[in-house]
Amino acid sequence: DTGVSQDPRHKITKRGQNVTFRCDPISEHNRLYWYRQTLGQGPEFLTYFQNEAQLEKSRLLSDRFSAERPKGSFSTLEIQRTEQGDSAMYLCASSPGTGGANVLTFGAGSRLTVL
Amino acid sequence: AQSVSQHNHHVILSEAASLELGCNYSYGGTVNLFWYVQYPGQHLQLLLKYFSGDPLVKGIKGFEAEFIKSKFSFNLRKPSVQWSDTAEYFCAPGGSYIPTFGRGTSLIVHP
Repeated sequence: DTGVSQDPRHKITKRGQNVTFRCDPISEHNRLYWYRQTLGQGPEFLTYFQNEAQLEKSRLLSDRFSAERPKGSFSTLEIQRTEQGDSAMYLCASSPGTGGANVLTFGAGSRLTVL
Repeated sequence: AQSVSQHNHHVILSEAASLELGCNYSYGGTVNLFWYVQYPGQHLQLLLKYFSGDPLVKGIKGFEAEFIKSKFSFNLRKPSVQWSDTAEYFCAPGGSYIPTFGRGTSLIVHP
């Protein structure tokens, strides 16, 4: 499968716990994006990487959120001290560095439920 | 900052009816425009895109959209919907590599 992979697909955790999501983009894509989607809303931008550099972060990304893309390949999104308001679908997407510059290919998402 | 407004949140149609979903955006610079679709149980996927040139663009499954610069609009159309078009549709204008998604429109097509 050469699409965008996300793991885990579902995560249930208790408030206050830390969680980490992983995204494996399409291998030749330089750009990687994280979005968050709640019920009845469209995806909200969280952060964006060009290779290993994190170029932009949304104000939605509080200090409890951190994202990395250490070697310009896979990325992780960690949420510390989870809150019930963090319950959402976390979407990863990637796009090529040239040509169809920002046509995003999405993964299936990681659904987080905070109890 | 860019923003996007989708006017119809829930649309219910019968097969063969025509569809038009409104999308308006605000953005000061050069904007690329996208419609994404999410079929039940599937990933978000690109439906069509506009970068430049002919303002009437065609996408997959008979969908098309028209970019009207003066109205900051990029409305999605299909002359005759099918049951298989039941899905969530998202308008997403994007400037500097970061598409901003609208709230989405839930389309239900009755056979």
